[in-house]
Amino acid sequence: EDQVTQSPEALRLQEGESSSLNCSYTVSGLRGLFWYRQDPGKGPEFLFTLYSAGEEKEKERLKATLTKKESFLHITAPKPEDSATYLCAVQDRTGANNLFFGTGTRLTVIP
Amino acid sequence: GAVVSQHPSRVICKSGTSVKIECRSLDFQATTMFWYRQFPKQSLMLMATSNEGSKATYEQGVEKDKFLINHASLTLSTLTVTSAHPEDSSFYICSARRTGWISYEQYFGPGTRLTVT
Repeated sequence: EDQVTQSPEALRLQEGESSSLNCSYTVSGLRGLFWYRQDPGKGPEFLFTLYSAGEEKEKERLKATLTKKESFLHITAPKPEDSATYLCAVQDRTGANNLFFGTGTRLTVIP
Repeated sequence: GAVVSQHPSRVICKSGTSVKIECRSLDFQATTMFWYRQFPKQSLMLMATSNEGSKATYEQGVEKDKFLINHASLTLSTLTVTSAHPEDSSFYICSARRTGWISYEQYFGPGTRLTVT
C-alpha cells in the first residue's frame, strides 16, 4: 500500500530563514510525486511534479528535489505570503489515476 | 490555464435533504475528475473517481448510493449528497486531469464547505 509521510507537521520560520520540508514515500512503482500548496479554506494549488530520482524543479523561492525514497521542498528566504500548508502526493504505476496524499506541513512565516 | 471551478462554495442544508455540488474545468477538457473530502486539519481523502460517460469508481467505505456522481460532459462532474446528515458536514474538493496530456497533474477546485444542520 502506498504511504506518504510528511515532516515536520508544523514549521515556524522567521522571514528570510531558509528551510526544507520532507516527504518520505513508499510506492510499488512511482509514476509521479506532486507538491501542492493549500491555503485555509481553499483547494490545493499545484506547484511541481517530479518523475524520477535526481530531478529538480524550481519556482520563485521554492525548489523541489526527488530521491528514490523521499522528496524535499526547499524554501529560500521565505516571506509571510509563503505561509500555507504544503501537501505532498504520490501516484503509483498500478493503473489507478488517483493521488495519495500526505498530511501536510503547516508553514508559518513570521515577519 | 488549468482552472477548475466549484459551485456552490458554501452550502448549509437541513438533515435529510440532498445537496448537489458542481465541478467544472473552465479552460480544458477532463475525461477524469476526482472527488475528495477533507476534515479539519486532515489531508485529502479520495472518495471517488469520475469518468466521463461511465460510472464512477468509489473508494472502499464510500457509499455510492449516498454520494451520487455524474460526469455527463468533458467539463462537468457533479456530486450529490443524498439524505444528508450532520456527519456529512465537511469540505468537498474536486480535481480534474487534462484529457490527452502525458503528465498526471490534477488541478483542484476551490472546494465546497457543506454544513448539515
